[in-house]
Amino acid sequence: ETGVTQTPRHLVMGMTNKKSLKCEQHLGHNAMYWYKQSAKKPLELMFVYSLEERVENNSVPSRFSPECPNSSHLFLHLHTLQPEDSALYLCASSPSFNGGGYEQYFGPGTRLTVT
Amino acid sequence: GNSVTQMEGPVTLSEEAFLTINCTYTATGYPSLFWYVQYPGEGLQLLLKATKADDKGSNKGFEATYRKETTSFHLEKGSVQVSDSAVYFCALIDPLETGANNLFFGTGTRLTVIP
Repeated sequence: ETGVTQTPRHLVMGMTNKKSLKCEQHLGHNAMYWYKQSAKKPLELMFVYSLEERVENNSVPSRFSPECPNSSHLFLHLHTLQPEDSALYLCASSPSFNGGGYEQYFGPGTRLTVT
Repeated sequence: GNSVTQMEGPVTLSEEAFLTINCTYTATGYPSLFWYVQYPGEGLQLLLKATKADDKGSNKGFEATYRKETTSFHLEKGSVQVSDSAVYFCALIDPLETGANNLFFGTGTRLTVIP
């Protein structure tokens, strides 16, 4: 399999549940990203990992917890979410994080609905 | 700071019509500019890019020219097809931004092409 894959593609969870989103990239990239895409809002960068170390956390609530066990895998652990957290969560990767204007390659996203 | 402003949609065109989606930006440094496309149910795909002034990015019949004097990167296509129906995002990377390689996105423009 090539490119960036995400599972599950759709997730419905209650506010008291705990779930995890998974992202895998098969591109040999060193940087991985989580984005949140909500209706009528710009794409929001949530987390960035470079060589498995977190380098950016844009004031994301602690109910979102990322994990990057190796450069190919990225997780987003979810717990006690709110209905306003319902959105499309996109994972992306790029060859490097340190500038250079590298484009990012996106996965298909996980459509999350919090009830 | 960095920001991207693109025309709000939705845009509805007949097949073979000419398309323009306007995009302007502000940046601290000398950014790289991108257009991404998101087809229904999918993640974002890089459509084209330009890394310096007067560069023209092109792909699949789409073009955009990096205009530093007007800080613009308008997307154009001479003859749209039904299969071009998607949401289009203008974006930039500013290498002067601390922790560079963060993409700054516009809000997206939904294009619908009718037969």
